[in-house]
Amino acid sequence: GEDVEQSLFLSVREGDSSVINCTYTDSSSTYLYWYKQEPGAGLQLLTYIFSNMDMKQDQRLTVLLNKKDKHLSLRIADTQTGDSAIYFCAERDAAGNKLTFGGGTRVLVKP
Amino acid sequence: DTAVSQTPKYLVTQMGNDKSIKCEQNLGHDTMYWYKQDSKKFLKIMFSYNNKELIINETVPNRFSPKSPDKAHLNLHINSLELGDSAVYFCASSQGRGGYTFGSGTRLTVV
Repeated sequence: GEDVEQSLFLSVREGDSSVINCTYTDSSSTYLYWYKQEPGAGLQLLTYIFSNMDMKQDQRLTVLLNKKDKHLSLRIADTQTGDSAIYFCAERDAAGNKLTFGGGTRVLVKP
Repeated sequence: DTAVSQTPKYLVTQMGNDKSIKCEQNLGHDTMYWYKQDSKKFLKIMFSYNNKELIINETVPNRFSPKSPDKAHLNLHINSLELGDSAVYFCASSQGRGGYTFGSGTRLTVV
C-alpha cells in the first residue's frame, strides 16, 4: 500500500532557505503534490510535479524528485514569516482515485 | 466565488446524535472527496465520488453515509456520533490530473 513519510518539524530563520523532505513507497505514483495548511484553514495547493520530471521551479518554490529513491523535497527560497505553516506532501495513485498524504511538516520561521 | 464550500464550519454535538455536513463545488469538477484530519493533523481519505458514483470507500464505518445528488454536491451524513469522530472533515474536488481543491473544513466536536 501507499505510505508517505515526512519529518515533523523544521525551524528556519527569516530570509534563509527551507527544505522540507518527503519519502513515499508507491512506485506507480503519477503525480506528487505539496500543500500548505495555515492554522484553522484548509489546504492550499502550492505546486505539483509529474513523476517523470526531476525538478520544477515556481517562483520561490523548487521541487526536486528522485524517483529511484522515492524522495521528494520542497525548497522555499527567502523564507518569510508568512511561510510558517504545516506543509504536506501527497502522492496520487496510478488510478488517479486518491491522494495519500504524509503526516505534515510544521515549519516555524523565526525573525 | 468560493470554489469548494462546506457548511457548517463548526459543529458541536452530543454523542449518539446524527449530523450532516454539506459540500458544494462550483469548479465543474467530476470527482469529489471527503477527507478526515485527526488531532495530530494526519489526513486520510474517506470517500471518493466520480460523477455521482462511489469510487472509494476507505474502510469507513457504515455510520458514515455520503450522498451525491449531483456532481457538484457531496454531503456527508453521520449517524450515532462517537467521541472518536471528533476531527476536521475536508471536502475536496478534482478534475483530470490536476491537484485537488479543498474546502476550508468542518470542525466536528462530539461531547
